[in-house]
Amino acid sequence: SQTIHQWPATLVQPVGSPLSLECTVEGTSNPNLYWYRQAAGRGLQLLFYSVGIGQISSEVPQNLSASRPQDRQFILSSKKLLLSDSGFYLCAWSTNLGNEQFFGPGTRLTVL
Amino acid sequence: GQQLNQSPQSMFIQEGEDVSMNCTSSSIFNTWLWYKQDPGEGPVLLIALYKAGELTSNGRLTAQFGITRKDSFLNISASIPSDVGIYFCAGQKNTNAGKSTFGDGTTLTVKP
Repeated sequence: SQTIHQWPATLVQPVGSPLSLECTVEGTSNPNLYWYRQAAGRGLQLLFYSVGIGQISSEVPQNLSASRPQDRQFILSSKKLLLSDSGFYLCAWSTNLGNEQFFGPGTRLTVL
Repeated sequence: GQQLNQSPQSMFIQEGEDVSMNCTSSSIFNTWLWYKQDPGEGPVLLIALYKAGELTSNGRLTAQFGITRKDSFLNISASIPSDVGIYFCAGQKNTNAGKSTFGDGTTLTVKP
């Protein structure tokens, strides 16, 4: 069966520090991969999606970047965090049909 | 960008009552998805709808894809305490990498 992992689970970082969040998927190959951010009490905002290794599409202009160095690995990064980057970051995968997405457990990021 | 209006924003109900929530959009979607999110976790897919007019059940949950393709509803019958959580609708225009637009969620509280 397929599983999706995210780490770390929680992170507290000072403003201006770098960020690296990792997401890996097991049990499937060539998945579509997604990064979402969820603000408190809000829905999910799609940040990036990827249909293959090295292929990244950005949905909103922002302080973050994403990379997909391997088929089942998706990384969210920032060189310098802003206060507004705080939130709950969710990684998700789908088959390349793209309909049903399966979410990881999320990373709670607090920027102070 | 595309927006989904999800209502109600929150619901406080008694155990055993039925629940109804809905999503509307000014745009047509080809797929509607309903997710449930428990606190501090990633959303879990409940029901996926692929055809206008489609009515699908998953246990005590029933969801319908509106015939105009601009709306969907989710019903929960005979609610129980573990139904507590945030319910999100999501719409997809096509299988363009599975990009989903999410509503802001309905927070459900069930009193025993």
